[in-house]
Amino acid sequence: EIVLTQSPGTLSLSPGERATLSCRASQSVNSNYVAWYQQKPGQAPRLLVHGASSRATGISDRFSGGGSGTDFTLTINTLEPEDFAVYYCQQYGDSLITFGPGSKVEIK
Amino acid sequence: QVQLVQSGAEVKKPGASVKVSCKASGYSFDRNDMQWVRQAPGQRLEWMGWIHGGYGYTRYSQKFQGRVSITSDTSASTGYMELSSLRSEDTAVYYCVRGERVGWDWGQGTLVTVSS
Repeated sequence: EIVLTQSPGTLSLSPGERATLSCRASQSVNSNYVAWYQQKPGQAPRLLVHGASSRATGISDRFSGGGSGTDFTLTINTLEPEDFAVYYCQQYGDSLITFGPGSKVEIK
Repeated sequence: QVQLVQSGAEVKKPGASVKVSCKASGYSFDRNDMQWVRQAPGQRLEWMGWIHGGYGYTRYSQKFQGRVSITSDTSASTGYMELSSLRSEDTAVYYCVRGERVGWDWGQGTLVTVSS
């Protein structure tokens, strides 16, 4: 099983600032099959990025994903009020799909 | 647009089974796979398994093997997830998700509470 760790656990920022979230895998992720999701309280997750760096349909270009191997990042440029949420990474390169514990981006 | 509408919240006793449904619309149900993911309170998302949209074959997480059954009715564009031998640790929100591996679209979630 590929274990994902995310950092930081909580990030306190102001609107307009940039958020950089990290996702580290316990072993190399096949074909960089990493996705990122946003989840707000009481809502289902929403796909932001797949294949490590491809934005999902309708997702703002303020969101960008990168990385390869075991280290991946999600960057949110110019935080908007609606961006304050929990972000999860997921690897789907292994037969057992796993998720990270999440990073919360909160308003400072 | 794609919609996945799940059945309502359930309260079950330990040892019982629960079956959650997921009615899909806005896309070709038999050309898309469906997976099930759960989220226990305060915990990370947990992948449970997947069903092929057209052929109906399945693959499950080893953690749930033997306790979970994922099925679908293509004529009704509806997917189902049944979990048996429930225990308190199964208390969670259960999501149906369009896609084999990437979660393209998600249902609203169904809260299953296991309590004596």
